[in-house]
Amino acid sequence: RKEVEQDPGPFNVPEGATVAFNCTYSNSASQSFFWYRQDCRKEPKLLMSVYSSGNEDGRFTAQLNRASQYISLLIRDSKLSDSATYLCVVPSPGYSTLTFGKGTMLLVSP
Amino acid sequence: DGGITQSPKYLFRKEGQNVTLSCEQNLNHDAMYWYRQDPGQGLRLIYYSQIVNDFQKGDIAEGYSVSREKKESFPLTVTSAQKNPTAFYLCASSTRDRADQPQHFGDGTRLSIL
Repeated sequence: RKEVEQDPGPFNVPEGATVAFNCTYSNSASQSFFWYRQDCRKEPKLLMSVYSSGNEDGRFTAQLNRASQYISLLIRDSKLSDSATYLCVVPSPGYSTLTFGKGTMLLVSP
Repeated sequence: DGGITQSPKYLFRKEGQNVTLSCEQNLNHDAMYWYRQDPGQGLRLIYYSQIVNDFQKGDIAEGYSVSREKKESFPLTVTSAQKNPTAFYLCASSTRDRADQPQHFGDGTRLSIL
C-alpha cells in the first residue's frame, strides 16, 4: 500500500449536495492526520486536523478509521466556493515529516 | 501579520544558471520545509530543517541546496544540475519538527526555464 492514497476525482456535484472523500494510509502508527484545501495555482491551506476518531467544523466532518487505516472528509451542503483540490496528509514513517496525498478534485456546479 | 513570505512569485532560469528562492517566516517556527509540485501531482519534499544550522534531504534533493543560518530564513538554491526545474515551489513551516504539527505554507514561487 502507498503511504497515502486518494481518489483523484474529479467529483462533480451540484450545489447543496453532500460529498465524501476517502484517503487510505499505510503507516499504522500514525496518530495525527490533516486535510488541506488547495485552490488552482495556490498554496495548500489547512482545513482540519484529526487527532482522535474525528473532527467537525461547520459543514466539514473528518472521520478516522484506524482499524481499516482510512480517513474520510465529508462536506455537507456544498457551496460553489468549495470547488478545490482536497489533500489528505499523514505523518511519514519515522514521524519527522508529513506525506501529502495527490489530492481529490471537487467541482461544485450551480 | 504573522506568516510565511516567498519571493519572487515568478522566476525564470537560463541554462546552466543557479537560482535562489527566498523563504522567510515570522511565526517563530522551528521547522521549515521545501516542496516541489508538478502539474497534477502531489507535493514532493526536497529538503527540511528542524533547527538552525541543520537540514536533511527529502525525497528529491538532487540538484538542490539549502541553508539555515537563521531561524526565520530557509533559502532554496536550484542548481544547474537540476535538469527539470520547471515547477511550483512551496515553502512551509511548523512549530516543531514532529509530524503531529500541521505545516503552514507560503504562497509559492513558480520557476520556469527560459
